[in-house]
Amino acid sequence: GESVGLHLPTLSVQEGDNSIINCAYSNSASDYFIWYKQESGKGPQFIIDIRSNMDKRQGQRVTVLLNKTVKHLSLQIAATQPGDSAVYFCAENPYSSNTGKLIFGQGTTLQVKP
Amino acid sequence: NAGVTQTPKFQVLKTGQSMTLQCAQDMNHEYMSWYRQDPGMGLRLIHYSVGAGITDQGEVPNGYNVSRSTTEDFPLRLLSAAPSQTSVYFCASSYGPGRETQYFGPGTRLLVL
Repeated sequence: GESVGLHLPTLSVQEGDNSIINCAYSNSASDYFIWYKQESGKGPQFIIDIRSNMDKRQGQRVTVLLNKTVKHLSLQIAATQPGDSAVYFCAENPYSSNTGKLIFGQGTTLQVKP
Repeated sequence: NAGVTQTPKFQVLKTGQSMTLQCAQDMNHEYMSWYRQDPGMGLRLIHYSVGAGITDQGEVPNGYNVSRSTTEDFPLRLLSAAPSQTSVYFCASSYGPGRETQYFGPGTRLLVL
Protein backbone atom coordinates (compact mmCIF):
# COMPACT_ATOMS: atom_id res chain seq x y z
CA GLY A 1 0.00 0.00 0.00
CA GLU A 2 0.93 3.63 -0.03
CA SER A 3 3.25 4.82 2.64
CA VAL A 4 5.27 7.81 3.56
CA GLY A 5 8.28 7.04 5.67
CA LEU A 6 11.16 8.85 7.24
CA HIS A 7 14.70 7.55 7.17
CA LEU A 8 15.69 8.40 10.75
CA PRO A 9 13.52 8.62 13.86
CA THR A 10 15.79 11.14 15.62
CA LEU A 11 18.21 13.74 14.33
CA SER A 12 20.53 15.58 16.68
CA VAL A 13 22.31 18.73 15.46
CA GLN A 14 24.37 21.51 16.93
CA GLU A 15 22.83 24.95 17.17
CA GLY A 16 23.82 26.96 14.12
CA ASP A 17 24.37 23.93 11.90
CA ASN A 18 22.14 23.05 8.98
CA SER A 19 19.62 20.22 9.40
CA ILE A 20 18.40 17.84 6.74
CA ILE A 21 15.35 15.69 7.36
CA ASN A 22 14.56 13.05 4.78
CA CYS A 23 11.36 11.40 3.68
CA ALA A 24 10.59 8.61 1.22
CA TYR A 25 7.25 8.19 -0.46
CA SER A 26 5.96 5.22 -2.38
CA ASN A 27 3.23 6.55 -4.68
CA SER A 28 4.57 8.00 -7.89
CA ALA A 29 1.14 9.56 -8.54
CA SER A 30 1.47 11.89 -5.56
CA ASP A 31 1.36 15.47 -6.76
CA TYR A 32 1.54 17.45 -3.54
CA PHE A 33 3.87 17.22 -0.56
CA ILE A 34 3.97 19.12 2.67
CA TRP A 35 6.12 19.41 5.77
CA TYR A 36 4.74 20.00 9.25
CA LYS A 37 6.42 20.82 12.54
CA GLN A 38 4.87 19.57 15.75
CA GLU A 39 5.98 20.84 19.13
CA SER A 40 5.17 18.91 22.25
CA GLY A 41 1.51 19.18 23.20
CA LYS A 42 0.55 21.13 20.10
CA GLY A 43 -1.01 20.48 16.73
CA PRO A 44 1.07 20.19 13.57
CA GLN A 45 2.12 23.52 12.13
CA PHE A 46 2.58 24.08 8.39
CA ILE A 47 6.17 24.74 7.33
CA ILE A 48 6.39 24.49 3.57
CA ASP A 49 4.86 22.61 0.67
CA ILE A 50 5.78 21.68 -2.89
CA ARG A 51 3.99 20.37 -5.95
CA SER A 52 5.28 17.61 -8.15
CA ASN A 53 6.03 20.00 -11.01
CA MET A 54 8.77 21.59 -8.90
CA ASP A 55 12.13 20.28 -7.65
CA LYS A 56 12.84 22.89 -5.03
CA ARG A 57 11.07 25.49 -3.01
CA GLN A 58 12.48 27.90 -0.48
CA GLY A 59 10.96 29.59 2.51
CA GLN A 60 12.39 31.46 5.43
CA ARG A 61 15.40 29.36 6.56
CA VAL A 62 13.77 26.25 5.09
CA THR A 63 14.10 24.54 1.73
CA VAL A 64 12.19 21.54 0.45
CA LEU A 65 13.73 19.36 -2.25
CA LEU A 66 11.76 16.85 -4.28
CA ASN A 67 13.40 14.06 -6.24
CA LYS A 68 10.66 12.30 -8.16
CA THR A 69 13.06 9.83 -9.75
CA VAL A 70 13.80 8.16 -6.43
CA LYS A 71 10.61 9.33 -4.70
CA HIS A 72 12.45 11.27 -2.05
CA LEU A 73 11.62 14.47 -0.21
CA SER A 74 13.85 16.43 2.11
CA LEU A 75 13.54 19.41 4.40
CA GLN A 76 16.60 21.56 4.95
CA ILE A 77 16.71 23.97 7.87
CA ALA A 78 19.46 26.57 7.77
CA ALA A 79 21.19 27.75 10.93
CA THR A 80 19.18 25.49 13.20
CA GLN A 81 17.97 27.12 16.38
CA PRO A 82 16.78 25.66 19.71
CA GLY A 83 13.24 26.68 18.74
CA ASP A 84 13.45 24.27 15.82
CA SER A 85 13.44 21.32 18.21
CA ALA A 86 10.27 19.40 17.41
CA VAL A 87 8.92 16.43 15.49
CA TYR A 88 8.79 16.94 11.74
CA PHE A 89 6.30 15.15 9.53
CA CYS A 90 6.17 14.87 5.81
CA ALA A 91 2.85 14.19 4.12
CA GLU A 92 1.74 13.48 0.58
CA ASN A 93 -1.44 13.60 -1.42
CA PRO A 94 -1.56 10.54 -3.68
CA TYR A 95 -5.25 11.03 -4.38
CA SER A 96 -7.16 13.47 -6.45
CA SER A 97 -6.86 16.98 -5.09
CA ASN A 98 -10.65 16.94 -4.75
CA THR A 99 -10.40 14.74 -1.68
CA GLY A 100 -8.15 16.93 0.42
CA LYS A 101 -6.66 13.79 1.94
CA LEU A 102 -3.08 13.52 3.11
CA ILE A 103 -0.96 10.53 4.14
CA PHE A 104 1.53 11.28 6.91
CA GLY A 105 4.86 9.72 7.71
CA GLN A 106 5.78 8.66 11.24
CA GLY A 107 7.89 11.70 12.00
CA THR A 108 11.51 12.61 12.76
CA THR A 109 12.45 14.15 16.07
CA LEU A 110 14.91 17.02 15.67
CA GLN A 111 17.02 17.76 18.74
CA VAL A 112 19.08 20.93 18.73
CA LYS A 113 22.05 20.99 21.06
CA PRO A 114 23.13 24.39 22.40
CA ASN B 1 -9.36 34.62 12.98
CA ALA B 2 -9.28 31.96 15.65
CA GLY B 3 -8.32 29.35 13.04
CA VAL B 4 -9.23 25.78 13.97
CA THR B 5 -10.55 25.31 17.48
CA GLN B 6 -11.18 22.06 19.33
CA THR B 7 -12.98 21.25 22.55
CA PRO B 8 -12.46 19.77 25.02
CA LYS B 9 -8.68 19.86 25.45
CA PHE B 10 -8.71 16.74 27.59
CA GLN B 11 -11.31 14.11 28.37
CA VAL B 12 -11.48 10.90 30.41
CA LEU B 13 -14.14 8.35 29.51
CA LYS B 14 -15.13 4.97 30.78
CA THR B 15 -15.44 2.08 28.36
CA GLY B 16 -18.83 2.16 26.68
CA GLN B 17 -19.49 5.86 27.19
CA SER B 18 -20.20 8.12 24.26
CA MET B 19 -19.01 11.63 23.59
CA THR B 20 -18.59 14.24 20.89
CA LEU B 21 -15.35 16.01 20.09
CA GLN B 22 -16.03 19.47 18.74
CA CYS B 23 -14.16 21.14 15.90
CA ALA B 24 -14.82 24.54 14.38
CA GLN B 25 -13.01 26.75 11.89
CA ASP B 26 -13.62 30.36 10.93
CA MET B 27 -11.59 30.47 7.72
CA ASN B 28 -14.43 29.45 5.41
CA HIS B 29 -12.57 26.27 4.52
CA GLU B 30 -14.46 23.69 2.51
CA TYR B 31 -12.41 20.67 3.55
CA MET B 32 -12.23 19.35 7.10
CA SER B 33 -10.64 16.21 8.50
CA TRP B 34 -10.21 14.28 11.72
CA TYR B 35 -6.97 12.48 12.56
CA ARG B 36 -5.77 10.45 15.50
CA GLN B 37 -2.20 10.38 16.67
CA ASP B 38 -0.84 7.56 18.78
CA PRO B 39 2.56 7.61 20.55
CA GLY B 40 5.49 7.42 18.17
CA MET B 41 3.24 7.42 15.15
CA GLY B 42 2.13 9.82 12.51
CA LEU B 43 -1.41 11.01 11.99
CA ARG B 44 -4.02 8.62 10.70
CA LEU B 45 -7.13 9.87 8.94
CA ILE B 46 -10.44 8.93 10.57
CA HIS B 47 -13.05 10.80 8.53
CA TYR B 48 -13.06 13.76 6.22
CA SER B 49 -15.48 16.13 4.53
CA VAL B 50 -15.20 18.08 1.29
CA GLY B 51 -18.14 20.32 2.07
CA ALA B 52 -21.30 20.73 4.10
CA GLY B 53 -23.41 17.60 3.89
CA ILE B 54 -20.59 15.46 2.46
CA THR B 55 -18.47 13.10 4.54
CA ASP B 56 -16.36 10.05 3.81
CA GLN B 57 -14.27 7.50 5.64
CA GLY B 58 -10.55 7.66 6.05
CA GLU B 59 -8.04 5.03 7.08
CA VAL B 60 -9.40 4.20 10.56
CA PRO B 61 -13.15 5.04 10.68
CA ASN B 62 -14.46 2.19 12.86
CA GLY B 63 -16.05 3.37 16.09
CA TYR B 64 -16.41 6.97 14.94
CA ASN B 65 -19.18 8.96 13.28
CA VAL B 66 -19.13 12.42 11.76
CA SER B 67 -21.56 14.89 10.26
CA ARG B 68 -21.11 18.22 8.51
CA SER B 69 -24.25 20.31 8.73
CA THR B 70 -22.42 23.63 8.39
CA THR B 71 -19.18 24.75 6.75
CA GLU B 72 -17.76 25.79 10.12
CA ASP B 73 -18.34 22.71 12.28
CA PHE B 74 -17.24 19.11 12.00
CA PRO B 75 -17.94 17.13 15.18
CA LEU B 76 -16.54 13.64 15.78
CA ARG B 77 -18.67 11.21 17.74
CA LEU B 78 -17.49 8.19 19.66
CA LEU B 79 -20.49 5.93 19.97
CA SER B 80 -19.17 3.47 22.57
CA ALA B 81 -15.67 4.32 23.72
CA ALA B 82 -13.04 1.61 23.90
CA PRO B 83 -9.53 1.70 25.44
CA SER B 84 -8.12 1.38 21.90
CA GLN B 85 -9.52 4.84 21.21
CA THR B 86 -7.19 6.42 23.74
CA SER B 87 -5.30 8.86 21.59
CA VAL B 88 -4.82 12.50 20.67
CA TYR B 89 -7.34 13.71 18.14
CA PHE B 90 -6.65 16.51 15.70
CA CYS B 91 -9.05 18.35 13.48
CA ALA B 92 -7.77 20.06 10.34
CA SER B 93 -9.20 22.20 7.57
CA SER B 94 -8.19 23.45 4.14
CA TYR B 95 -9.62 25.55 1.32
CA GLY B 96 -10.05 22.77 -1.20
CA PRO B 97 -8.80 21.71 -4.64
CA GLY B 98 -5.47 23.27 -5.51
CA ARG B 99 -5.09 24.63 -1.98
CA GLU B 100 -4.59 21.47 0.01
CA THR B 101 -2.55 22.91 2.89
CA GLN B 102 -4.26 21.67 6.02
CA TYR B 103 -4.34 23.77 9.17
CA PHE B 104 -4.60 21.91 12.44
CA GLY B 105 -6.31 22.57 15.71
CA PRO B 106 -4.57 22.16 19.08
CA GLY B 107 -5.90 18.65 19.65
CA THR B 108 -8.03 16.76 22.17
CA ARG B 109 -6.37 14.23 24.45
CA LEU B 110 -8.73 11.35 25.13
CA LEU B 111 -8.20 8.66 27.75
CA VAL B 112 -10.58 5.71 27.80
CA LEU B 113 -10.44 3.60 30.94
